[in-house]
Amino acid sequence: EVQLLESGGGLVQPGGSLRLSCAASGFTFSSNAMSWVRQAPGKGLEWVSVISGGGGTTYYADSVKGRFTISRDNSKNTLYLQMNSLRAEDTAVYYCAKDRCNTNCYARGFDSWGQGTLVTVSS
Amino acid sequence: DIQMTQSPSSLSASVGDRVTITCRASQGISNYLAWYQQKPGKVPRLLIYAASSLQSGVPSRFSGSGSGTDFTLTVSSLQPEDVATYYCQNYNSAPLTFGQGTKVEIK
Repeated sequence: EVQLLESGGGLVQPGGSLRLSCAASGFTFSSNAMSWVRQAPGKGLEWVSVISGGGGTTYYADSVKGRFTISRDNSKNTLYLQMNSLRAEDTAVYYCAKDRCNTNCYARGFDSWGQGTLVTVSS
Repeated sequence: DIQMTQSPSSLSASVGDRVTITCRASQGISNYLAWYQQKPGKVPRLLIYAASSLQSGVPSRFSGSGSGTDFTLTVSSLQPEDVATYYCQNYNSAPLTFGQGTKVEIK
């Protein structure tokens, strides 16, 4: 059974930093692309970033480009999101999501999601 | 960037009704489209990928169609457990944009 467990969320002041982690199990982690998706309170889903299985390909939403960095450690089966220069509008539940993509691609639909971790940016 | 526009934003239908949600992409995305269901307070769930392929474990009353710019999610016979918000998503190219969501309620 696929399991994704996010951690690292919390309250941070504007301009601050946080690093989110997503521990994965139940599948060959290095084979699948992974994404971060966020959802502000009462709002819809917003894709944030994707990383290919090997880590060599990454993409970002314009809203976070230059501030957030996605990475993965396939030896630890863990996905990360380093978030710098945080703003109030970054307040959201952040989900990690496993992509169906596992060969020469970075996106084919998210077939497993974690429970999410809440990030609140406020003074 | 590709924009995804869903309609309607919300709908109310009776149990047993056929329900259709539309998603339009601002440019052609072939069949690189997914549909997700998010029940209140729950995590999103993949329903459909490649525009029309049913994800394992999803009831057969859900179906998807379309290609290029226009896509449809259909629930053939709405059930009480289908109350949720539904999202389409482009995965033809980054950014992997979602539609704004369609909230489905029971009348």
